[in-house]
Amino acid sequence: GQNIDQPTEMTATEGAIVQINCTYQTSGFNGLFWYQQHAGEAPTFLSYNVLDGLEEKGRFSSFLSRSKGYSYLLLKELQMKDSASYLCAVMDSNYQLIWGAGTKLIIKP
Amino acid sequence: GAVVSQHPSRVICKSGTSVKIECRSLDFQATTMFWYRQFPKKSLMLMATSNEGSKATYEQGVEKDKFLINHASLTLSTLTVTSAHPEDSSFYICSARDTTSAYNEQFFGPGTRLTVL
Repeated sequence: GQNIDQPTEMTATEGAIVQINCTYQTSGFNGLFWYQQHAGEAPTFLSYNVLDGLEEKGRFSSFLSRSKGYSYLLLKELQMKDSASYLCAVMDSNYQLIWGAGTKLIIKP
Repeated sequence: GAVVSQHPSRVICKSGTSVKIECRSLDFQATTMFWYRQFPKKSLMLMATSNEGSKATYEQGVEKDKFLINHASLTLSTLTVTSAHPEDSSFYICSARDTTSAYNEQFFGPGTRLTVL
């Protein structure tokens, strides 16, 4: 079956760096997405990886290793507004998104 | 990025009534839209894939007669929750795939919070 695993919850300090991991097993692979979702709101797109390596976009970076079925989202210089859930999703061979359960990130002052 | 609107944002209804939720892609054409529901502190659950001009594809366990989907145009899909019951109370989110975007990603509407009394 198809499966996406990510930690349920993480806590980090304002100004610090945090890495959120995601492992996946899917039927086919057409890219991996990271979305941010604040409570009561819809997800917003953060990043997309389809080739191995690191994609950097400001304070956020995303890494992919297709051979390991592994990705991480790296958030630097954490701000209080980064407190949210971070969803990992893989686009399978049918171009359908398979979603992880999300990682709730709590930022403490 | 592309914009997807959803209406209404919040609805409260009595048990047994039907509720229609609209999802519109405002600045792009979407041949494919998706309907999700999300329970508190849970991840998104895909309910169905809505294809313009054809029948929706429902995920296993989703009742097609209860959750009616119509994708009549390239910018509009509707979800009607028929004979709603309290257990249907949830956060319903639509998304639209922009096939012209660099990543073929889905853009999400703001969601509709449905409360059935």
